[in-house]
Amino acid sequence: GESVGLHLPTLSVQEGDNSIINCAYSNSASDYFIWYKQESGKGPQFIIDIRSNMDKRQGQRVTVLLNKTVKHLSLQIAATQPGDSAVYFCAEKGGRGAQKLVFGQGTRLTINP
Amino acid sequence: NAGVTQTPKFRILKIGQSMTLQCTQDMNHNYMYWYRQDPGMGLKLIYYSVGAGITDKGEVPNGYNVSRSTTEDFPLRLELAAPSQTSVYFCASSYRERLNTEAFFGQGTRLTVV
Repeated sequence: GESVGLHLPTLSVQEGDNSIINCAYSNSASDYFIWYKQESGKGPQFIIDIRSNMDKRQGQRVTVLLNKTVKHLSLQIAATQPGDSAVYFCAEKGGRGAQKLVFGQGTRLTINP
Repeated sequence: NAGVTQTPKFRILKIGQSMTLQCTQDMNHNYMYWYRQDPGMGLKLIYYSVGAGITDKGEVPNGYNVSRSTTEDFPLRLELAAPSQTSVYFCASSYRERLNTEAFFGQGTRLTVV
């Protein structure tokens, strides 16, 4: 069945360092992936997305990489700031016509001063 | 433009009570979703709707009901509250699924069943 998992539940990095958050998915038919950021007490907030016909997409300080061969997704955050501390979720939509967005467990990112 | 608005923000229910979680969006989105998020976990899809008058079950629909009489509103009903329904509930909406656009989330409703 569909499932999205994360390799690491927690990640601590020093302020200014780069961070990488990983995500594995099992539905090879998934064609759209999204990274969300969730701060304490708030709803998930869109960060960046990528379609399955792409390997890489860059935003402001964030890059998402997609490896369809091993069904792996990663979010890279450059020069982390205290405001990056949050839980990060990856989510997938399972192929053409699929109407639901499936979320992974999440990774808590902590930025140390 | 308020986006996705959920009410109430917090609620405590006794076992067996019923309540409706309200969700409204002003973005003219046709897709709407209800998720629940248990502590330390991801979001599980309860129900979703692709347009007014159309609803479908998600991953964890048992104990819930929904309706979609208008494009703007997508209420979630709990008929007989159980402790297992203690969770944070998020409503979301998106424009057109085929364009693979992201879903926008409300701020959540924290529900405790005692």
